Amino acid sequence: GQNIDQPTEMTATEGAIVQINCTYQTSGFNGLFWYQQHAGEAPTFLSYNVLDGLEEKGRFSSFLSRSKGYSYLLLKELQMKDSASYLCAARGSANDYKLSFGAGTTVTVRA
Amino acid sequence: KAGVTQTPRYLIKTRGQQVTLSCSPISGHRSVSWYQQTPGQGLQFLFEYFSETQRNKGNFPGRFSGRQFSNSRSEMNVSTLELGDSALYLCASSLSSGDGYTFGSGTRLTVV
Repeated sequence: GQNIDQPTEMTATEGAIVQINCTYQTSGFNGLFWYQQHAGEAPTFLSYNVLDGLEEKGRFSSFLSRSKGYSYLLLKELQMKDSASYLCAARGSANDYKLSFGAGTTVTVRA
Repeated sequence: KAGVTQTPRYLIKTRGQQVTLSCSPISGHRSVSWYQQTPGQGLQFLFEYFSETQRNKGNFPGRFSGRQFSNSRSEMNVSTLELGDSALYLCASSLSSGDGYTFGSGTRLTVV
C-alpha cells in the first residue's frame, strides 16, 4: 500500500520562505508530484521528481530523496496568492498508473 | 489549448439514484484517471483508463464504474447513490504515464 504524510497547516508572512515536507512509504516508487489547489478549484501541477535532487522552477523548488522516502516543496518570496493547499502525491511502480495523495498542507500567507 | 473538461459542474441527486459524470481530456491525451475528493479522505484514486482499457482500479465498491471511448472521452457511473458519495469528482488526463496529470475543474456531487 501507500502512505503519504505531510503537515496539515503552515502559516508564513508575505515575502518569506516556507518548506513543506512530505514523507512516503510505497510498495513501489516511480515519481513524486506536487500540486497546488486553491479552494474550490482543481489541483494544478507544480512539479515532478523521479530522481534524487532539487528541481527549481522560479519561486518554487522541489527536492527528492528516494533512499529516505522524503520530498519537500520550497516556496520562496511568498505572495498572498500562494495561500492554498499543497498536495504531495506518489506514483507506485512503472505499471501503476495511480497517484496516492497526501491529505494536503494548507498554507496561509499573511501580510 | 483547451484543458480537461468535466460536465456537469454541479449535481444534486437523491439516495438510490444513479449518476453519470463526463470527462473530455486534453486533445491527444490518452490516459484518463478519476479521483474522489472529500474533506475527510482527501483525494482517493478511483480508476485509470488508457486506450479504452481500464489499467488500474482503486478500492471503491462495484457501484463505481467507468469507461473510455475511442476518442479518449471518459465517463464514470455511480449506481445506488449513498449520502457518503457526496464529493468532488475530479478527472485528470496525461499524454502518457510518465507525464504530469492535468486535472479538470471537477463535478461536485451532492446526494440528499
